[in-house]
Amino acid sequence: DTEVTQTPKHLVMGMTNKKSLKCEQHMGHRAMYWYKQKAKKPPELMFVYSYEKLSINESVPSRFSPECPNSSLLNLHLHALQPEDSALYLCASRENPQGNQPQHFGDGTRLSIL
Amino acid sequence: AQSVTQPDIHITVSEGASLELRCNYSYGATPYLFWYVQSPGQGLQLLLKYFSGDTLVQGIKGFEAEFKRSQSSFNLRKPSVHWSDAAEYFCAVDQGGKLIFGQGTELSVKP
Repeated sequence: DTEVTQTPKHLVMGMTNKKSLKCEQHMGHRAMYWYKQKAKKPPELMFVYSYEKLSINESVPSRFSPECPNSSLLNLHLHALQPEDSALYLCASRENPQGNQPQHFGDGTRLSIL
Repeated sequence: AQSVTQPDIHITVSEGASLELRCNYSYGATPYLFWYVQSPGQGLQLLLKYFSGDTLVQGIKGFEAEFKRSQSSFNLRKPSVHWSDAAEYFCAVDQGGKLIFGQGTELSVKP
């Protein structure tokens, strides 16, 4: 059982659609992460939020827009995506942005772009 | 910059046999090291972690790993593999709050 909950589990969208991915954690963690994972590859970091503020953007295209409305919730807004954006999108959280605690991952959203 | 190398892309073992997955890292100071497992269609689950102290760490599901500074290694072991252990395994090192992953090792288990 994961303590990081992601919805939806699957999403199919056209290139002109707008959709959002949601991630929740109720562990009181103050760092939250978005990753993109292609098949047979390790996760690639996209964004990091520390204390609800965006601290790292790994040069992600602007068609991906993260949002952290509160300390428990992280969204990823999607608009005008490309077929190569089809992937598993993973959310993770950690107790603090720095230190030696591990990241806890959700089960991901499988995104398919038509 | 830190890096993590998992030399074996794919390993097949028989059920009941022992397992060792290799991981080498590059980092100057004592690293924070992790092993994660990913079953098909799921997220990453933490198996174990090393920060300091005892170099042999125990994790969940009967896994253990040994930190060897002289070899820059953090190999994962299990004495007897079960069919349910078939999955992708990732070694990772923490770099300033960011995880640097190895390329992963896919484990297949033969009956």
